[in-house]
Formats: sequence, structure tokens, C-alpha cells
Amino acid sequence: EAGVVQSPRYKIIEKKQPVAFWCNPISGHNTLYWYRQNLGQGPELLIRYENEEAVDDSQLPKDRFSAERLKGVDSTLKIQPAELGDSAVYLCASSFDTTNEKLFFGSGTQLSVL
Amino acid sequence: QQPVQSPQAVILREGEDAVINCSSSKALYSVHWYRQKHGEAPVFLMILLKGGEQMRHEKISASFNEKKQQSSLYLTASQLSYSGTYFCGTERSGSARQLTFGSGTQLTVLP
Repeated sequence: EAGVVQSPRYKIIEKKQPVAFWCNPISGHNTLYWYRQNLGQGPELLIRYENEEAVDDSQLPKDRFSAERLKGVDSTLKIQPAELGDSAVYLCASSFDTTNEKLFFGSGTQLSVL
Repeated sequence: QQPVQSPQAVILREGEDAVINCSSSKALYSVHWYRQKHGEAPVFLMILLKGGEQMRHEKISASFNEKKQQSSLYLTASQLSYSGTYFCGTERSGSARQLTFGSGTQLTVLP
């Protein structure tokens, strides 16, 4: 069974440029999460989807971050414009549902903003 | 609110035991434990539920003290493969699946 797939693996951009990350969750997993992990820290939730609905986006900086999950499968996270402080690893995770379910994480996208 | 993990780092020899603690100031419904190796994705170890039993994953076990809002991860007879950063994730009672991770405990097992 394929795991959670993310791309790109690495991204280097200059500040003020836009950037997008893509995630393909495990087939059949209804819940999808985007986390941001700063160096030496634990993952911080940005947004959680149940199917195509964003049910928790309270931690998403909406002035520059946006996300979508069309058809309740793949998801894209966008930053526009990027700032120096956005440098981090962006992790996507999925679970079958939201009831005591373990999360399956992708390998992440390491973003460096110069 | 982010749970507090201790210690921040631990170094031990293969075969030794270690304990990692996770505590919260809020009432918890569940505690999740994940292990992340450098440059890799976090990998699920176990979930402990309020009112549930102690859990085990290979030679790693964990407990959840509901009264103290604490969980402990016990690594017995550690193996080189146990090296990595261990994160606890806590779900507060009534928080509707909002999992908040601690800052992690870096475990290094030496031969």
C-alpha cells in the first residue's frame, strides 16, 4: 500500500515569491492534515480536512496561506507571498477518520526562504 | 496548549532502559506517541485513551495517568533502531480531535 505522497521534497525560494505543496493521502483516508514543523520542534497543525471540508483552520495564517482539497482526495497548500519565517518542513498526514486514529505522515517538503 | 516533554535529550547504550515523560496542564482525552528519525516522517507508535490500558509496541510501552495528565513512554532494552526523536501528541477532552505535539525528546542509542 502506498503511503502519503508529498511533492516537492525540497523547495528553495526567495522571499515574497509564491510556493505550493502537494499531497496525495492514502487511498480511502477521509481526513487530511497539514502540519508545519520548525527545526527542533514538534509538528504544528495548520489545517485539517474531513473529505473536502476544512473543519479546523484556526492555526492557518490566512493572510498568506491557503489550502484546498478538491474532490476530497489530493490537497494543495499555498503560501503567497513567502516570508523568511516560513522556512520549515511542511508535513501532510492522513487518517481513515478522526476517531482515535493514528496519523500517517508523508516525508514532507522542506522549504527554505532566502 | 503544547504538552511538555522531558527530558529534552537522552543518550544511552544499547540494552539500557529509558523513560520519556509527557505532561499537560489541561484534562486530556488521549495521548499519542510518534517517533521521527532524522529527515524522515514521524511514525506512529501507540495511542493511549482515557480509561484505557497500558499499551505496547515491541519492547516499548506507555502509560497514561489521567489524574496527573501525564503519559510516560518506557523503552526497555533499547536497540540502535530506537534512536530518533519521540513526540507525544495530546488531545484535550472536548477538543474534537485537535492533536497538539510536544517539542520532542531526542533519543540516541550508542552501541
